[in-house]
Amino acid sequence: EVQLVETGGGLIQPGGSLRLSCAASGFTVSNNYMSWVRQAPGKGLEWVSVIYGGGSTYYADSVKGRFILSRDNSKNTLYLQMNSLRVEDAAIYYCAKDGIISDPGWFDPWGQGTLVTVSS
Amino acid sequence: QVVLTQSPSASASLGASVKLTCTLSSGHSSYTIAWHQQQPEKGPRYLMKLNSDGSHFKGDGIPDRFSGSSSGAERYLTISSLQSDDEAVYYCQTWGTGIRVFGGGTKLTVL
Repeated sequence: EVQLVETGGGLIQPGGSLRLSCAASGFTVSNNYMSWVRQAPGKGLEWVSVIYGGGSTYYADSVKGRFILSRDNSKNTLYLQMNSLRVEDAAIYYCAKDGIISDPGWFDPWGQGTLVTVSS
Repeated sequence: QVVLTQSPSASASLGASVKLTCTLSSGHSSYTIAWHQQQPEKGPRYLMKLNSDGSHFKGDGIPDRFSGSSSGAERYLTISSLQSDDEAVYYCQTWGTGIRVFGGGTKLTVL
C-alpha cells in the first residue's frame, strides 16, 4: 500500500526554522515526483514545492529563497526545510506523491498533514 | 500562468446529481486537470485526472457515482445519487513544468 506520513510540525516563533519530514512506503521516493502543499486555517490549498525524479526542485514564489525541498533516498523520506518563517506560513502541510514517473503533476496519494503554527 | 476558476459554493439535494465546474484561463484550454475532495476536518483525497477530451482516470476506490467531462476550457465533476458524506470542498488542480496550481475550491452542501 502506498502511504505517506508527515511529521515535524509544531509551534515556532516568527523568523525561526522548522524541518518537516514525509516518510513514504509502498514506492520509492527517489524515482518519483513529490510535492508539498499547504492549507492555512480556513483557506484553500496552496502548492508549495515539487522535486522531480532527477532531483530538480521548484518553489512557489511565496516560499522561494526560504524553503528547501530535499530527499534522503536511504530513508525513503522527503524533507521540507522551512527558514525565516512568517506568520502567514502557518498552515497544515501535506506531502503528496506527484503523479507517476511517466505522467507527473496530479497528487495521489496525500499524507495526513502536519500542523505548523507560527506565533510569538 | 494558468489560473483555475471555481464557484465558491454549490448545493444539491440528497439523492440528486450535481455538476461542478472548473474553468481554465485563456490559452490553457488543452490542460489536463485533477479533482480532489476534502471532507470536513480531513485531508484531501484524489478523485480523478481529467483530460481535455473528457477521458478520466479515477483513483482507487472512487465510486462510479463520480464522473468527469470536458468542454473547451471547462472541466466538470458530476456526482450522482448524492450522499451526505459527499458534502465537502472540491478542488481542481493542474500543472506545468515546475508549477502546480489549485482552483479556489467549491464547497458542496448536500441538502
